[in-house]
Amino acid sequence: SQQGEEDPQALSIQEGENATMNCSYKTSINNLQWYRQNSGRGLVHLILIRSNEREKHSGRLRVTLDTSKKSSSLLITASRAADTASYFCATSKGGYQKVTFGTGTKLQVIP
Amino acid sequence: GAVVSQHPSRVICKSGTSVKIECRSLDFQATTMFWYRQFPKKSLMLMATSNEGSKATYEQGVEKDKFLINHASLTLSTLTVTSAHPEDSSFYICSASDPGQGRSGANVLTFGAGSRLTVL
Repeated sequence: SQQGEEDPQALSIQEGENATMNCSYKTSINNLQWYRQNSGRGLVHLILIRSNEREKHSGRLRVTLDTSKKSSSLLITASRAADTASYFCATSKGGYQKVTFGTGTKLQVIP
Repeated sequence: GAVVSQHPSRVICKSGTSVKIECRSLDFQATTMFWYRQFPKKSLMLMATSNEGSKATYEQGVEKDKFLINHASLTLSTLTVTSAHPEDSSFYICSASDPGQGRSGANVLTFGAGSRLTVL
């Protein structure tokens, strides 16, 4: 079964706007990651946030983590058409343990 | 950075035949690889964890005899879909743990580009 549930399932915005995606999970985690998948391709790692962190930035990406609510959010600022993709949160216990993916948010950025 | 190569990217086969998908870590050694299956517009479902030199660990509900995994070397894991049927048509993706991240205690995955299997 999937660990994470994401919302919205689909999001369509205009270029330049911000996009926010949310992820909720069920069990305790050591870290949470966000990945991106272009249509018909493999996934690319975007950012990782550890359970003892609350917020992390990488370029136009901002990730928050609330372990008390078992939720995370991914914010993409000043979106571009090239950001169009599906975004997945993923959780694991760390080390080389299996990584479980959420249901994903399909983002469309309209030029 | 770590690179994972997956081949073939697309394969079409007849029902009843077997198909082998290869996953290679190009510039690092991968003792552990993960095989996922993705249905259209759905998330990734972990099928099995491939361990170099030992048997794969399958997730609940995944048929071991149907999806044969071999991890014979530190850079190659293969998934063989045996006696394929139309319901096996799917997008199969392999991944390996990034060794640099793993040492810091996080399992960051590097993915292959995926293999689209169509069984007629």
